[in-house]
Amino acid sequence: GQQVMQIPQYQHVQEGEDFTTYCNSSTTLSNIQWYKQRPGGHPVFLIQLVKSGEVKKQKRLTFQFGEAKKNSSLHITATQTTDVGTYFCAGPFQAGTALIFGKGTTLSVSS
Amino acid sequence: GAGVSQSPRYKVAKRGQDVALRCDPISGHVSLFWYQQALGQGPEFLTYFQNEAQLDKSGLPSDRFFAERPEGSVSTLKIQRTQQEDSAVYLCASSFARNIDQPQHFGDGTRLSIL
Repeated sequence: GQQVMQIPQYQHVQEGEDFTTYCNSSTTLSNIQWYKQRPGGHPVFLIQLVKSGEVKKQKRLTFQFGEAKKNSSLHITATQTTDVGTYFCAGPFQAGTALIFGKGTTLSVSS
Repeated sequence: GAGVSQSPRYKVAKRGQDVALRCDPISGHVSLFWYQQALGQGPEFLTYFQNEAQLDKSGLPSDRFFAERPEGSVSTLKIQRTQQEDSAVYLCASSFARNIDQPQHFGDGTRLSIL
C-alpha cells in the first residue's frame, strides 16, 4: 500500500556533528511537511515544501523536496542538544486528502 | 489559551468502558483533526472536521469510534466498548486553512490506557 518511509529510524551524534534524515514516499506527494516532536511533547510544525526541487532553510536546518516529489530530506548543521527529538515527514498522496506521517527519525545528541 | 488544548491528559479505563476525549482548538481555526499515535509511530489520521461538518472519517478504525464538533469549535472523540488495542496517545490538531492537507497545530494529546 501507499506509505511514507523514513531513514534512519534512530541517529545518535556528538554535539556539533551534522545530521540528515530522509523521507521516501511510494507515490508522488502534493506537498511535504516536517514536524518535530520532543520527548513527551507533541508534534510541532517546522516547514512545508510544495514545489519540485524546492529547498528551504531555517537557520541550521535545510529542507529539500525531490524533483519527482517522492522524497525529501532534512539536514541539520552543527547539531545542538536542543535538536533532540523525533522528526516526522508527512504529506498527502493526493491534494485534498489526509496527511500520511512517516514513522520518524529519533535524534539524540550528546555533549 | 494560545494553543490546542486537550483533556484529560491521561485516561485509564477498563476494557469495555466508554471514554470521551475533549479537544479545544485554537480560536478561529476552521479545520480540526484527530490522530492516533502508537508508541514509536507517527500520528495516524482518524477524522477531519471543517467547522461543524465531518468531511472525512476514513481513518476511524471501527464503528466504536465516534467524533463530533457540534458548534464548530470544541470537539469530542468518543470510544465505546474500549479494547486493549485502543491504548495510544490521541492527538488533536487544528488549522486556520480550509484544507485537510495543510500544516496543523497539535495539542499535547490524551494518553489512553486500557486495562
